Amino acid sequence: QVHLVESGGGVVQPGTSLRLSCVTSGFDFSNFAMHWVRQGPGGGLEWLAVTSFDGRMKSYAGSVRGRFTISRDNSENTLYLQMDSLRGEDTALYYCVRDRGFNWNDAIGFDYWGQGTLVTVAS
Amino acid sequence: QSVLTQPPSVSGAPGQRVTITCTGSSSNTGAGYDVHWYQQLPGTAPKLLIYGKNYRPSGVPDRFSGSKSGTSASLAITGLRAEDEGDYFCQSFDVSLSGYVFGSGTRVTVL
Repeated sequence: QVHLVESGGGVVQPGTSLRLSCVTSGFDFSNFAMHWVRQGPGGGLEWLAVTSFDGRMKSYAGSVRGRFTISRDNSENTLYLQMDSLRGEDTALYYCVRDRGFNWNDAIGFDYWGQGTLVTVAS
Repeated sequence: QSVLTQPPSVSGAPGQRVTITCTGSSSNTGAGYDVHWYQQLPGTAPKLLIYGKNYRPSGVPDRFSGSKSGTSASLAITGLRAEDEGDYFCQSFDVSLSGYVFGSGTRVTVL
């Protein structure tokens, strides 16, 4: 069974940093591209970042480019999201998501989602 | 403001057919990229419902179907059931943004 378990969320002040982790199991992590997607208080989904199967290729949404960094450790089956310069509008539930393909731009759908970790940015 | 446009809500009686539209542009759905659909039931994470031309992951009933024409795509739910109540999101890839985009989401209500 595929499992994606996020952690690292919490309440932080604007301007600070946070690192999210996603521990995976039940599949060969090194064969799949991985994403971070968030869901804000309004309920909409926002794609944030993708990394290719080997971590060499990455892409980011404009709203987080330059502030967030996606990375992966294939030896530990773990995906990360380093979030710097956090803002109030970054408050959301953050999901770790598996791509059906292995390249960052295969565009063939997201087939497994974690349960999410909540990040609240407030002073 | 979402790149893909969906109606905020649709509703129908049990057993009826409802359709959700997803309208994009020449840089995403109109550029030949597939539209995928996700179902989010209350209190749960999104789940892949339809991918590619019209494929359903294992366990998804054939009451759900997808189609695409030009810059628009549609999700149809036939034989509507109470357990179908939730939010539905479309998703595609945008070549201009070099990234993925979601629709604004549609709330399905079973009357």
